[in-house]
Amino acid sequence: DAGVIQSPRHEVTEMGQEVTLRCKPISGHDYLFWYRQTMMRGLELLIYFNNNVPIDDSGMPEDRFSAKMPNASFSTLKIQPSEPRDSAVYFCASIGGGFGDLLYGYTFGSGTRLTVV
Amino acid sequence: GEDVEQSLFLSVREGDSSVINCTYTDSSSTYLYWYKQEPGAGLQLLTYIFSNMDMKQDQRLTVLLNKKDKHLSLRIADTQTGDSAIYFCAFSGARPGNAGNMLTFGGGTRLMVKP
Repeated sequence: DAGVIQSPRHEVTEMGQEVTLRCKPISGHDYLFWYRQTMMRGLELLIYFNNNVPIDDSGMPEDRFSAKMPNASFSTLKIQPSEPRDSAVYFCASIGGGFGDLLYGYTFGSGTRLTVV
Repeated sequence: GEDVEQSLFLSVREGDSSVINCTYTDSSSTYLYWYKQEPGAGLQLLTYIFSNMDMKQDQRLTVLLNKKDKHLSLRIADTQTGDSAIYFCAFSGARPGNAGNMLTFGGGTRLMVKP
């Protein structure tokens, strides 16, 4: 497996524009997580899905953020409208649903570095 | 829920040993992990330890678990400049009100290795 795939790797956009970040989890993994990382706040969990269903979105900063998982192999995180304070690195991670999958922990993607100017 | 604390920074000289510490509150975790994040990259699993173990050694890495004090540490022997990274401890266990394979991460310790 190629691992967790995120795109794009870098995104620069103007304030007010819509931004869509994409993630392909590892095939067969039941859980998908979106994280945001900044120097000030560290690693923050935004939302996670189990079997394509959003379970906990309490970490989503505000209504400008939305996430979907239309099928087991694809998820998006959308920011509309974007603001400079959304500048961060956004990570996607996945893990299988069996207890034995805990042996391997989460697999993280390489992240999307978002800059809103 | 799990509260996890790590110191923010650690600076060592090349060749010295590094010890990165983590304290936690929830003792029910089965797996305890150390992740490494190199500049510009995602987090990668470095090693893990079962909760019924006190120590695990893997080449230059030694993980120590003190369940009584709820303290997890990662020792890197003969630290190299390539070890410069952010190190995260993480713990398995369900978040309150939810089930499943959830991990809780510490805030990360930035290790700087000076030549």
